[in-house]
Amino acid sequence: DAKTTQPTSMDCAEGRAANLPCNHSTISGNEYVYWYRQIHSQGPQYIIHGLKNNETNEMASLIITEDRKSSTLILPHATLRDTAVYYCIVGQYGATNKLIFGTGTLLAVQP
Amino acid sequence: KAGVTQTPRYLIKTRGQQVTLSCSPISGHRSVSWYQQTPGQGLQFLFEYFSETQRNKGNFPGRFSGRQFSNSRSEMNVSTLELGDSALYLCASSPGLAGVGGELFFGEGSRLTVL
Repeated sequence: DAKTTQPTSMDCAEGRAANLPCNHSTISGNEYVYWYRQIHSQGPQYIIHGLKNNETNEMASLIITEDRKSSTLILPHATLRDTAVYYCIVGQYGATNKLIFGTGTLLAVQP
Repeated sequence: KAGVTQTPRYLIKTRGQQVTLSCSPISGHRSVSWYQQTPGQGLQFLFEYFSETQRNKGNFPGRFSGRQFSNSRSEMNVSTLELGDSALYLCASSPGLAGVGGELFFGEGSRLTVL
């Protein structure tokens, strides 16, 4: 299973865009990039996933580099409620039960 | 639509005891996965059930077991508890065949403390 590398922690000012990077240099052709987040004392929450094209939904945008070795999750207007641990995961579509969550990035949104 | 429900939310056991945790998936979801979360190891996959059959299993000892009922509700059991079993146990459900669809819906977890 491909591994990911994320910064341990990041800060972001409220109202500004939060850009969370992720390296996945060993990703294989059929593996997707998934993002989840976990707010303290809650279960993880799905955010977005993609294969090679950029994706956008009501929560965030996912930008995947052309070589697919890295990606960035963008929260366009961060709020205090976005403070959480963000997990970047790679895995085969249809095998989310085997996703390796890693340690994630603690995003602290500052007022 | 109700989310994934896990019970109990908190429990304390002593070494050597056994524990059973319950998970009710979102209505209509047929796949249930279990994860263990600890500060040192992060979130680790335990096993996954679909239509009452275990489809995948993580690298945990045989003391960890589970089952799924015909209504898709699932239980996991840990026997002969050890101090290292103290963790947050998370259940996740998904709509159809295991993992197809790309999204897991997690419950809030059962926090187990072993003394």
